[in-house]
Amino acid sequence: GNSVTQMEGPVTLSEEAFLTINCTYTATGYPSLFWYVQYPGEGLQLLLKATKADDKGSNKGFEATYRKETTSFHLEKGSVQVSDSAVYFCALSDRGGSQGNLIFGKGTKLSVKP
Amino acid sequence: GAGVSQSPSNKVTEKGKDVELRCDPISGHTALYWYRQSLGQGLEFLIYFQGNSAPDKSGLPSDRFSAERTGGSVSTLTIQRTQQEDSAVYLCASSLGGQGRAGELFFGEGSRLTVL
Repeated sequence: GNSVTQMEGPVTLSEEAFLTINCTYTATGYPSLFWYVQYPGEGLQLLLKATKADDKGSNKGFEATYRKETTSFHLEKGSVQVSDSAVYFCALSDRGGSQGNLIFGKGTKLSVKP
Repeated sequence: GAGVSQSPSNKVTEKGKDVELRCDPISGHTALYWYRQSLGQGLEFLIYFQGNSAPDKSGLPSDRFSAERTGGSVSTLTIQRTQQEDSAVYLCASSLGGQGRAGELFFGEGSRLTVL
């Protein structure tokens, strides 16, 4: 079945460090891929998405590129801030074009120290 | 506010009791989802409502779990005869719909259920 695997945390970085959170997926067909973020005390919110191969999603300085050849959607940011401390979830939508449910990874907790 | 609203935010109950969790989606959103978030387990899909279609119940873990959505808006998730393994944060999300919006979910802050 379809699944998402992301690197286990927690990840602790100093402010202005480079961030990569790895995400790989298994899916039939052509899923859309997402990164969601959960800040402390808040609900999950969509960070970025990509709907087809080679698409790059970007938001708030974060980027992720849909790589079909490696079935990956790694999240990157060039310079993290303390305010980026949160739990990050990679997800795929396995019913392209419809509103089927999302399959989430287990989440990666990021802590950024000043 | 205009976001997804869930209640109660915290619920402590005794094993064997029934609980109801409520979700108010964003006005105009046709799709509504329930997920369960357990420590270290990520998000587990439970059930999905889309308009007037029959709900997708494929994620419900047992027949003790049920959900309904009245009038295409408010949803209630009911857990009967609660067990300790039901302890988790129950998340509700809604979505606007349309192919371009698939997967763009708006989540509430969750209802934390603790079964003693």
